[in-house]
Amino acid sequence: GQNIDQPTEMTATEGAIVQINCTYQTSGFNGLFWYQQHAGEAPTFLSYNVLDGLEEKGRFSSFLSRSKGYSYLLLKELQMKDSASYLCAVISNDYKLSFGAGTTVTVRA
Amino acid sequence: GAVVSQHPSRVICKSGTSVKIECRSLDFQATTMFWYRQFPKQSLMLMATSNEGSKATYEQGVEKDKFLINHASLTLSTLTVTSAHPEDSSFYICSARDTTDYEQYFGPGTRLTVT
Repeated sequence: GQNIDQPTEMTATEGAIVQINCTYQTSGFNGLFWYQQHAGEAPTFLSYNVLDGLEEKGRFSSFLSRSKGYSYLLLKELQMKDSASYLCAVISNDYKLSFGAGTTVTVRA
Repeated sequence: GAVVSQHPSRVICKSGTSVKIECRSLDFQATTMFWYRQFPKQSLMLMATSNEGSKATYEQGVEKDKFLINHASLTLSTLTVTSAHPEDSSFYICSARDTTDYEQYFGPGTRLTVT
């Protein structure tokens, strides 16, 4: 089975940095995805990590430690439009995605 | 590239009726499509995995006779919610995967309301 944990909510100020942690225990691991989802919309892809280390893509970075079952998504220079739900998802050997419950990030002026 | 569409985007139906939702991959061949359901303030829950030309594989707790899935071609999968009840009201999202990588491309979702 899959067990994926991430905080429920986080609040930060515009221009600040926020780090969303995700821990997982899964049977079969073929990578970890981070998605952004605005209310009433489908998830949009942010990052994919399959090897240990940090992947940087503009204002967003994602880190993975397979030995620790741990990942984080780092959002820098927060903007109001970054207010959304961020979903951590693990993909297993059969290509199925298992999602965490999502972290709602609220950016305040 | 890698665009997935869903139709309709919103649908309201009466209890007891059936509703069909289409998921199409527009610019790639999707050997596998996935159907998810998302209730308010909850995450996506996988309902079933659909492979072209074969029967769908349903997750535990999902009634296959209620949620009929047909993956008739490499670009189209349909989900039919039969004998809909108000508790079936949810956001249904499909995703599609080609054979080249692990990434799934999500459709825009269908908001189903059963009255």
